[in-house]
Amino acid sequence: GEDVEQSLFLSVREGDSSVINCTYTDSSSTYLYWYKQEPGAGLQLLTYIFSNMDMKQDQRLTVLLNKKDKHLSLRIADTQTGDSAIYFCAESRAGGSYIPTFGRGTSLIVHP
Amino acid sequence: SQTIHQWPATLVQPVGSPLSLECTVEGTSNPNLYWYRQAAGRGLQLLFYSVGIGQISSEVPQNLSASRPQDRQFILSSKKLLLSDSGFYLCAWSVPSYEQYFGPGTRLTVT
Repeated sequence: GEDVEQSLFLSVREGDSSVINCTYTDSSSTYLYWYKQEPGAGLQLLTYIFSNMDMKQDQRLTVLLNKKDKHLSLRIADTQTGDSAIYFCAESRAGGSYIPTFGRGTSLIVHP
Repeated sequence: SQTIHQWPATLVQPVGSPLSLECTVEGTSNPNLYWYRQAAGRGLQLLFYSVGIGQISSEVPQNLSASRPQDRQFILSSKKLLLSDSGFYLCAWSVPSYEQYFGPGTRLTVT
């Protein structure tokens, strides 16, 4: 199976909260990331969390990490149509040449 | 601040033609560099990565190759394109062990 798994689609109404979930298998993961990709563009790093943290909040974004269950989530409060994009979860670990492992991405569709 | 450039932004090439995509990074030294391909707007497939000049690791056997002639330059090439090479090509850089930063991408269509 894949090392990082995400559901493929999420549809929400404008103004509601969105929660995008991710699970990973590597217990050695040190860093966990959320990236956003708008149509036709590269990936933009949204936020990250270290594995020794449970939560990180940054304006409308809240990241929750359950290390025991290897579950990561991204909550977007007051979701706007501009938040429509693909969101990628990724994990990495300390070590000079370790390459992050990405999930397949969750397409967030925000309805007006 | 660091920036990453890719060109061209879009490319339409016939089957059997050569390919050269270029990626350059500014504002950092000795970065790790990566080439990814993304098909149909979905997951990322790592093609090559480099931890230094002339050091290239290939993740997927195919008709593509990569080179790193300078510290902050990464080139993706092919001698003869296949239809299956169509996709969105992304270059990225990172400080070793930390987050990656992506370029704007090149949309390649092989006809």
